[in-house]
Amino acid sequence: DVKVTQSSRYLVKRTGEKVFLECVQDMDHENMFWYRQDPGLGLRLIYFSYDVKMKEKGDIPEGYSVSREKKERFSLILESASTNQTSMYLCASTGGHHSNQPQHFGDGTRLSIL
Amino acid sequence: AQSVTQPDIHITVSEGASLELRCNYSYGATPYLFWYVQSPGQGLQLLLKYFSGDTLVQGIKGFEAEFKRSQSSFNLRKPSVHWSDAAEYFCAVGAGAGNNRKLIWGLGTSLAVNP
Repeated sequence: DVKVTQSSRYLVKRTGEKVFLECVQDMDHENMFWYRQDPGLGLRLIYFSYDVKMKEKGDIPEGYSVSREKKERFSLILESASTNQTSMYLCASTGGHHSNQPQHFGDGTRLSIL
Repeated sequence: AQSVTQPDIHITVSEGASLELRCNYSYGATPYLFWYVQSPGQGLQLLLKYFSGDTLVQGIKGFEAEFKRSQSSFNLRKPSVHWSDAAEYFCAVGAGAGNNRKLIWGLGTSLAVNP
């Protein structure tokens, strides 16, 4: 089975801090995605990556950046955390070059910015 | 542009009753369709997927879904709901290939199950 591991289940940080959320997958997948999930808003795509050192903006990239130095790892960075970034963050991965492959999700990181 | 609509934000059913969750999509070509389930505090788990062929697809946990091209729908069904089915359900459609290999998501339907 595909395993997608997010480094923290719960995280509490302060406004203005630089925050790193890590995601690792063990299936040699080309594609990795970061979403945030808020009540009533579903899953919103922040950034995604189709290859090492490659990144594409999703629907809500403002205030975030990403890093993909190795194929198995995709990091989400909050450059200067703000309270409106308090949310559930979900990482997903999938293989192949088409959207016909299901995405595999980690358990999520619930991030609180105080 | 592709889109997915889940018309029901919240549904409550009694345990043992049948369930149907609605999903409508907008997509110009043959869609790749998915249903996911999310238990509280967890990530999303794939229930089933449709690519082509038989329009009635079977998934895990006793769920099935039917693709109806004429209605642009992919509704999820279960004949008898269990209390453990209480969760959030998401429908998604594949957006394409190449640099557009992401999924387009519905906003989800929250399912509550009465004992």
